[in-house]
Amino acid sequence: NAGVTQTPKFRILKIGQSMTLQCAQDMNHNYMYWYRQDPGMGLKLIYYSVGAGITDKGEVPNGYNVSRSTTEDFPLRLELAAPSQTSVYFCASTLESLVFFGPGTRLTVL
Amino acid sequence: AQSVTQLDSHVSVSEGTPVLLRCNYSSSYSPSLFWYVQHPNKGLQLLLKYTSAATLVKGINGFEAEFKKSETSFHLTKPSAHMSDAAEYFCVVSDGSNTGKLIFGQGTTLQVKP
Repeated sequence: NAGVTQTPKFRILKIGQSMTLQCAQDMNHNYMYWYRQDPGMGLKLIYYSVGAGITDKGEVPNGYNVSRSTTEDFPLRLELAAPSQTSVYFCASTLESLVFFGPGTRLTVL
Repeated sequence: AQSVTQLDSHVSVSEGTPVLLRCNYSSSYSPSLFWYVQHPNKGLQLLLKYTSAATLVKGINGFEAEFKKSETSFHLTKPSAHMSDAAEYFCVVSDGSNTGKLIFGQGTTLQVKP
């Protein structure tokens, strides 16, 4: 199993640009999550999904959108990038109480 | 609502000396608690987890944590620090909704001096 994979690893965006952060897992987990980690801080939940076709907001959803058309994929969309979205983004999936994190995407908005 | 507070933002120890990273939690139910480690520019690795079994939890790399309900604490310890232990450590609590959502503490940076 590849586990949780994320692409790209790094990205620089200009203000107002849009992009999609990709996340996939091959463990057939129903629960998936997007977190962001700002410098010197813990992770904060952006969106989560409890299964294909079901998504819900987390603690910091503003400026983001998600979709979950399949069990495997959970992309995160930034429509109008802002400097405040400069962060490291982690995707995760869960089996019972065990959370598997992806390697992260480092995004800079200039 | 569930929350965790890591009492030290930065801890510095000498190699070979004990490590203590402090975490207090707030929860309206019996929580699931975790410690994660993050090495520089790396992802998160699970050190250990508590899910209402034994109160003393042993993790990887010689770390362990003790769940103390009376003190609402879940401190992380290691008898002897190694240089490779230098990293960021996060105390984490599940949000109790059965959706697997996690609530992270602010993190503690562990520095290990030779």
